[in-house]
Amino acid sequence: EAGVAQSPRYKIIEKRQSVAFWCNPISGHATLYWYQQILGQGPKLLIQFQNNGVVDDSQLPKDRFSAERLKGVDSTLKIQPAKLEDSAVYLCASSRLGLESHNEQFFGPGTRLTVL
Amino acid sequence: TQLLEQSPQFLSIQEGENLTVYCNSSSVFSSLQWYRQEPGEGPVLLVTVVTGGEVKKLKRLTFQFGDARKDSSLHITAAQTGDTGLYLCAGGFSSWGKLQFGAGTQVVVTP
Repeated sequence: EAGVAQSPRYKIIEKRQSVAFWCNPISGHATLYWYQQILGQGPKLLIQFQNNGVVDDSQLPKDRFSAERLKGVDSTLKIQPAKLEDSAVYLCASSRLGLESHNEQFFGPGTRLTVL
Repeated sequence: TQLLEQSPQFLSIQEGENLTVYCNSSSVFSSLQWYRQEPGEGPVLLVTVVTGGEVKKLKRLTFQFGDARKDSSLHITAAQTGDTGLYLCAGGFSSWGKLQFGAGTQVVVTP
């Protein structure tokens, strides 16, 4: 079974530029998550999708961050304009739906973003 | 603010030694997971515990969920260099799939 795919793996941009990250979850996983992980910290949830609907985006800085999952499969996370403090690893994860999944999430390799 | 506190933040030991990592919270979780993350990679799920007092073993790794489902520990016996990584605990609150992660414990095992 293929894992969660993310691209690009690395991105370097200057502040005020825009950037987009792509994620393809594990086949059949209804729930998709985007996390931000700053060096030395645990992952922080930015947004959670269930199929193509948003379940939780309470920690997404909506003035600059946006995300979509139009067909309930792939997802894109965008930052526009980027700030220095956005430098982090952006992780995508997916999980099955239902009580038996016990919140188990499967992560992609992440995209390391550096904002100069 | 981290709802899950992990300790210690950093641990350096030699091969063959034992170690224990702790994960504590004031909240009750429906499930708790442990992940290991290596540099440049995403976290990899090691185990899920759901029942208070539950103990699970994965080769040299032993995971315990507290009776009140508020805390957990990870014990590694006879550590190997391949055990090096960032160990993250994550608590689940509901069936909607949301997890709260701790800040992690960086474990370094030297030959």
